[in-house]
Amino acid sequence: DAGITQSPRHKVTETGTPVTLRCHQTENHRYMYWYRQDPGHGLRLIHYSYGVKDTDKGEVSDGYSVSRSKTEDFLLTLESATSSQTSVYFCAISDPDRGGEKLFFGSGTQLSVL
Amino acid sequence: AQKITQTQPGMFVQEKEAVTLDCTYDTSDPSYGLFWYKQPSSGEMIFLIYQGSYDQQNATEGRYSLNFQKARKSANLVISASQLGDSAMYFCAMREGRTGNQFYFGTGTSLTVIP
Repeated sequence: DAGITQSPRHKVTETGTPVTLRCHQTENHRYMYWYRQDPGHGLRLIHYSYGVKDTDKGEVSDGYSVSRSKTEDFLLTLESATSSQTSVYFCAISDPDRGGEKLFFGSGTQLSVL
Repeated sequence: AQKITQTQPGMFVQEKEAVTLDCTYDTSDPSYGLFWYKQPSSGEMIFLIYQGSYDQQNATEGRYSLNFQKARKSANLVISASQLGDSAMYFCAMREGRTGNQFYFGTGTSLTVIP
């Protein structure tokens, strides 16, 4: 268990409302990531962070913003949710600085935008 | 261009038989890592195996082995002696060192083990 907690696990919301997903880690890993998983697309990177207040865009960042004010927390915000953002969202962590090559994943958040 | 390509959307294998899941990758970075993850129907992502670009030998982890052919840019996963519990989605992934430790994933292969 890599000590990653995603909240909420499930959320249903309406188009146009803001939504924030939280990822919390207890491993003190430097890198944190947000992916979305959709059938036929695999996992696609939304945003990632390489340190406190250091973030960068992934391949599908439009409509999403992130913040990392503490090492342990990485927030993903949908400013105005759309139906195309219905997906499963995974948080992941890694720490290549400490010899850790692989990604550890959270349990995922199922988001439905109606 | 796709960084990771998995051309088998679905595969079937008889229980106790071996199966190979294909993965090709595209990078010009000399330093990279290749990974396989398993996603059962419960949804969690489970790390299976890792191969570094400079590793001389193919990686093995129990019944899993990674057939690494660098010149062909392929990193196929071989599962020996398939079990019913191996039925799941399998994702190939690559980490490039020069892109800020980004990980790229393929679209996945759905494996069904037949009793």
